[in-house]
Amino acid sequence: QITLKESGPTLEKPTQTLTLTCSFSGFSFTSSGMGVGWIRQPPGKALEWLALIYWDDDKRYSPSLKTRLTITRDTSKNQVVLTMTNLDLVDTATYYCAKYSTGQHGFDVWGQGTTVTVSS
Amino acid sequence: QSVLTQPPSASGTPGQSITISCSGSSSNIGVNTVNWYQQLPGTAPKLLIYSNNRRPSGVPARFSGSKSDTSASLAISGLQSEDEADYYCAAWDDSLSAHVVFGGGTKLTVL
Repeated sequence: QITLKESGPTLEKPTQTLTLTCSFSGFSFTSSGMGVGWIRQPPGKALEWLALIYWDDDKRYSPSLKTRLTITRDTSKNQVVLTMTNLDLVDTATYYCAKYSTGQHGFDVWGQGTTVTVSS
Repeated sequence: QSVLTQPPSASGTPGQSITISCSGSSSNIGVNTVNWYQQLPGTAPKLLIYSNNRRPSGVPARFSGSKSDTSASLAISGLQSEDEADYYCAAWDDSLSAHVVFGGGTKLTVL
């Protein structure tokens, strides 16, 4: 069974740096075609893709957020970490990590999400 | 505004068929495959359709997808109350550096 779970702070202040961790199990991140991505959803709004890291450590970022995002992986811990700098109130959202499959060109298994509120 | 355009809402009665559209451009749907995600109230999204028209294991056959030029559609036949959810289309976009784009979502109400 493949599972992913997001963890991180629930409350952050503006200008701070957010660090979110995705812990996963049930698949090997070193297998060709695998990836883990981050997607967020502000309250009552649409999904927004943030970043993706592949099995070969290739990385992709949202062009509009690229300067603020860093995605890394720790294959020994089965974790993917997303950092977002210079937080703003509009970054308040539920943040999801999801397994990406190149075979399906999509996110086929999602975590439950973690809610982050940015407030002073 | 989302790069992919979806109608904000759709509705139907049980047993009916409905279609949700997703309009893109030559840099995304025009050259890449489309996925559809279903998000039931208060839950994480779930992959519903991949590669334009393929269903993951466990997704009922009454869900189907299609793509033509720079647009895609999700069709649901035999509408059921449990289909009430938000539906999102998504695709890779090759403009700038390759990135994933989502539609704005369509809230389906089963009357």
